[in-house]
Amino acid sequence: QQQVKQSPQSLIVQKGGISIINCAYENTAFDYFPWYQQFPGKGPALLIAIRPDVSEKKEGRFTISFNKSAKQFSLHIMDSQPGDSATYFCAASQGGSEKLVFGKGTKLTVNP
Amino acid sequence: GAGVSQSPSNKVTEKGKDVELRCDPISGHTALYWYRQSLGQGLEFLIYFQGNSAPDKSGLPSDRFSAERTGGSVSTLTIQRTQQEDSAVYLCASSRSGGPYEQYFGPGTRLTVT
Repeated sequence: QQQVKQSPQSLIVQKGGISIINCAYENTAFDYFPWYQQFPGKGPALLIAIRPDVSEKKEGRFTISFNKSAKQFSLHIMDSQPGDSATYFCAASQGGSEKLVFGKGTKLTVNP
Repeated sequence: GAGVSQSPSNKVTEKGKDVELRCDPISGHTALYWYRQSLGQGLEFLIYFQGNSAPDKSGLPSDRFSAERTGGSVSTLTIQRTQQEDSAVYLCASSRSGGPYEQYFGPGTRLTVT
């Protein structure tokens, strides 16, 4: 049973464009939703995270939008740059249990 | 400061052999996690250690997999009688306790079972 569904599997965007990655979850007990960025040969690194008490969180060019009623959250990368080319994973965890449930990842390619 | 380190970075083993993968967490981090990353499958939770509490082993795929954490620091993931389907990147992460705080990941160990 896949608890966090992520789409698309891959995404190609032109430099300066907006990259949008979507995730949907099933477990309503999830209360922490991070996004991780992974470059080839490296471990994932936290990019930005949100809790369900807010609908949006912005850090620089990265924004998480959260829709609690729809059980969906998304990552928006504004003014996408070639250096943003990486694999992005959404994840979720449940209060008191810190293990993360990950989506299957989105490979983002930003063309110059 | 130093991040999470893992060794070896690559391991090739024959089917049926046992392997040990090592993780050194960030100093002072009491929580330690093991995940498995298979091609196209995202990251799969394996096991979680928090301080002196009993580990959460709910993600271990079979009894061939085990892990221990000595002295609340270094952890070893052991896979016995390896199978080809065990081939994956094994990632270790650590975090402060009382979270969910950010999990800091190591670079992983790429395991290939031939």
